[in-house]
Amino acid sequence: GAGVSQTPSNKVTEKGKYVELRCDPISGHTALYWYRQSLGQGPEFLIYFQGTGAADDSGLPNDRFFAVRPEGSVSTLKIQRTERGDSAVYLCASSLFFTGELFFGEGSRLTVL
Amino acid sequence: AQTVTQSQPEMSVQEAETVTLSCTYDTSESDYYLFWYKQPPSRQMILVIRQEAYKQQNATENRFSVNFQKAAKSFSLKISDSQLGDAAMYFCAYRGSNTGNQFYFGTGTSLTVIP
Repeated sequence: GAGVSQTPSNKVTEKGKYVELRCDPISGHTALYWYRQSLGQGPEFLIYFQGTGAADDSGLPNDRFFAVRPEGSVSTLKIQRTERGDSAVYLCASSLFFTGELFFGEGSRLTVL
Repeated sequence: AQTVTQSQPEMSVQEAETVTLSCTYDTSESDYYLFWYKQPPSRQMILVIRQEAYKQQNATENRFSVNFQKAAKSFSLKISDSQLGDAAMYFCAYRGSNTGNQFYFGTGTSLTVIP
């Protein structure tokens, strides 16, 4: 596609529910990142994929968070047993080169009631 | 870990005037990349300008320029002839060559442009 696409744009769920957030990167971009942005804060790194594998998942806050990228393109961020503290905007970005700039999607706003 | 500090939570500028946003960073690396990203209310982060640490010349993109002081670990953004469309959150970001592929972001500066 022309840009990074994220769905859903907004998601409201109840505490304890399971949530999936999807990211479709720019075609041909091998690197894909997930960030979490809380209100008034800068993006916080969660996980980075190079191709199909998670090259760095050190930012995932706990084992309730998991992300996959099975075919090296679309990625899904999965959050189990959601908590109110998980409420944030989840940003996805992709990159073509190792040292290239990040191209961001518009984010998925998650609200946990 | 690398840290990026933006000490100005909010800034305002008169339309057509010039404003400078500050950013400092902490690193032990000699080779790295610095970026300024703009985030309007639509939420999508857009690259404004980038600077490679090995380049001494300050990067410039139209009305946007940086003042890169490597020894002082300072990377400020100057916006000239400010326009209403420049109003947004601005984030400074660091990417090291030896720290994997993590981008480290500052907490942002909210810029208001006064007509």
